[in-house]
Amino acid sequence: QKEVEQNSGPLSVPEGAIASLNCTYSDRGSQSFFWYRQYSGKSPELIMFIYSNGDKEDGRFTAQLNKASQYVSLLIRDSQPSDSATYLCAVNMEYGNKLVFGAGTILRVKS
Amino acid sequence: EAGVVQSPRYKIIEKKQPVAFWCNPISGHNTLYWYRQNLGQGPELLIRYENEEAVDDSQLPKDRFSAERLKGVDSTLKIQPAELGDSAVYLCASSPEGRGGNYGYTFGSGTRLTVV
Repeated sequence: QKEVEQNSGPLSVPEGAIASLNCTYSDRGSQSFFWYRQYSGKSPELIMFIYSNGDKEDGRFTAQLNKASQYVSLLIRDSQPSDSATYLCAVNMEYGNKLVFGAGTILRVKS
Repeated sequence: EAGVVQSPRYKIIEKKQPVAFWCNPISGHNTLYWYRQNLGQGPELLIRYENEEAVDDSQLPKDRFSAERLKGVDSTLKIQPAELGDSAVYLCASSPEGRGGNYGYTFGSGTRLTVV
């Protein structure tokens, strides 16, 4: 089992729709969770982080965390073509001060 | 504030040749990370420094890879000799000491290595 798993996609949504990106992780002791956005040919850019169960909202982005289910998600409301990118889920495993990344989900927003 | 600076941006070398990548972290960031990202995959940690000490190098292929961080600022990652499978993007990231795991960290623009 991979430490951080994501559906590779691509996930295609129409402009203005809600995009839902999901991630599961293996280490039950993990405490902090991150979403990075990566445009083609660019480096990852941090967009959200979450520590506590529940929802955290920042503009059009909402991160959701369920530690009991070892599940974290990212919702993007009113999706725009500029949101088209690969979204990487990253988890700070309990055993070290480092982030372990999933393989990423490709999101395509069609206008 | 300047971000994490990496050079070169691109590098093409023949197999068995040596190659080196350079990283200058954000000023004041004591923790420095080198990651490797293969096509279609997420970044994978190679080595983590706290100041000048390599505190996690368990994923660094030590037979051909080496890294140093003299004076706890700039860092260099070297491959000698390079193999075809080393073709990837090498990313450097930094964070304030002990905070990367809690607040995430900032990546540099990366070095895209192609071994032919």
